[in-house]
Amino acid sequence: DQQVKQNSPSLSVQEGRISILNCDYTNSMFDYFLWYKKYPAEGPTFLISISSIKDKNEDGRFTVFLNKSAKHLSLHIVPSQPGDSAVYFCAGSQGGSEKLVFGKGTKLTVNP
Amino acid sequence: ETGVTQTPRHLVMGMTNKKSLKCEQHLGHNAMYWYKQSAKKPLELMFVYNFKEQTENNSVPSRFSPECPNSSHLFLHLHTLQPEDSALYLCASSPSDSLSETQYFGPGTRLLVL
Repeated sequence: DQQVKQNSPSLSVQEGRISILNCDYTNSMFDYFLWYKKYPAEGPTFLISISSIKDKNEDGRFTVFLNKSAKHLSLHIVPSQPGDSAVYFCAGSQGGSEKLVFGKGTKLTVNP
Repeated sequence: ETGVTQTPRHLVMGMTNKKSLKCEQHLGHNAMYWYKQSAKKPLELMFVYNFKEQTENNSVPSRFSPECPNSSHLFLHLHTLQPEDSALYLCASSPSDSLSETQYFGPGTRLLVL
């Protein structure tokens, strides 16, 4: 059973517009969430995280929103840039465990 | 060289072969991880080592055998693998095994089992 779901395998947006990547989770014990970004032939790199005590965390062009009642989080990138084209992975964890549970990823393409 | 490196980057092996994947981190971290990413599946944690001690084995078959001789090196020994073990194997490290520490990933080894 997949505990972290990224239901959109791909997303295409125009440069300068907003990119919204969605992630749903089923494990109500998850209390920490992370987004990773992965370019081809490279390992995932950490992007932004959020604790369940918050509903929003912002870092520059990247904002993560958490809706605990809906078990849903989203990553907003604004404005989107061609260099943001990558696969984005959502991950969750519980109780400070190092065990991250990842989604399948969403491939974002930002068109110039 | 900095960051997390993995060798080889690509590996093709038969089901009767024995091979090893190597991971090295130059970040002074104490925790290291092996992940597996199969096609169309989520990234899966396989093993966690903290200060050279294994702290997590995520129900991985015994044909995968990890080794952590020191905090900078992590190996994954492979023997009698199956074609379904073909995947991208990613190594990661973090300062400790606390989730508050970001994990840094290597580029991965793409493994094909014939």
